[in-house]
Amino acid sequence: QVQLVESGGGVVRPGGSLRLSCVASGFSFGSFGMHWVRQAPGKGPEWVVFTRYDGSNKYYADSVKGRFTISRDNSKNTLFLQMNSLRAEDTAVYHCAKDKYSSSPNALDFWGQGTMVSVSS
Amino acid sequence: QSVLTQPPSVSAAPGQKVTISCSGSRSNIGNNFVSWYQHLPGTAPKLLIYENDKRPSGIPDRFSGSKSGTSAIVGITGLQTGDEADYYCGTWDSSLSVVVFGGGTKVTVL
Repeated sequence: QVQLVESGGGVVRPGGSLRLSCVASGFSFGSFGMHWVRQAPGKGPEWVVFTRYDGSNKYYADSVKGRFTISRDNSKNTLFLQMNSLRAEDTAVYHCAKDKYSSSPNALDFWGQGTMVSVSS
Repeated sequence: QSVLTQPPSVSAAPGQKVTISCSGSRSNIGNNFVSWYQHLPGTAPKLLIYENDKRPSGIPDRFSGSKSGTSAIVGITGLQTGDEADYYCGTWDSSLSVVVFGGGTKVTVL
């Protein structure tokens, strides 16, 4: 079965950095687009970024553009999110999610449980 | 303020039907597929409907989706206590080049 396991969250000061990882199993990771989606406490999901199956095309939410970078290592079935210049408003649970298809954002058909990122002084 | 508009809550008795609307614009719902997600507290969100009206394997046919113009609807028939959750619509916005979600609708089984 499809499994997505995120790690790397924690508490960080404003302006700091974190790198999230998501290890995938149960499907051909290198054949599908992948997303990061975050959910702040008490709020709905906010989409963060998408990368196509080969990492050659990426789309970012305006709120993170220039600060966050998505990457993937298909040889290790792992998705990454490098987060720099973190702000209080980045505080959320970060989920990685598999897209149903390979190249363009469509439906997010499997989600991980998420890893908590807290930005606080 | 979400790009897609959903009612904050809907409710019905067990066995009844509820529908949740999702309103957008031409650049998102009007020209792209809509998905629906169920989120139970403490769990990962689950895909309920994709490409407007398709159900993934394992999703019962009590759940249905439709789209017309710049609005979409998900329906739940034979409501069960296990259906109490937050439901979100989502789609691609071609003008903004981002995925957008609705603000979410809480379903309560009376």
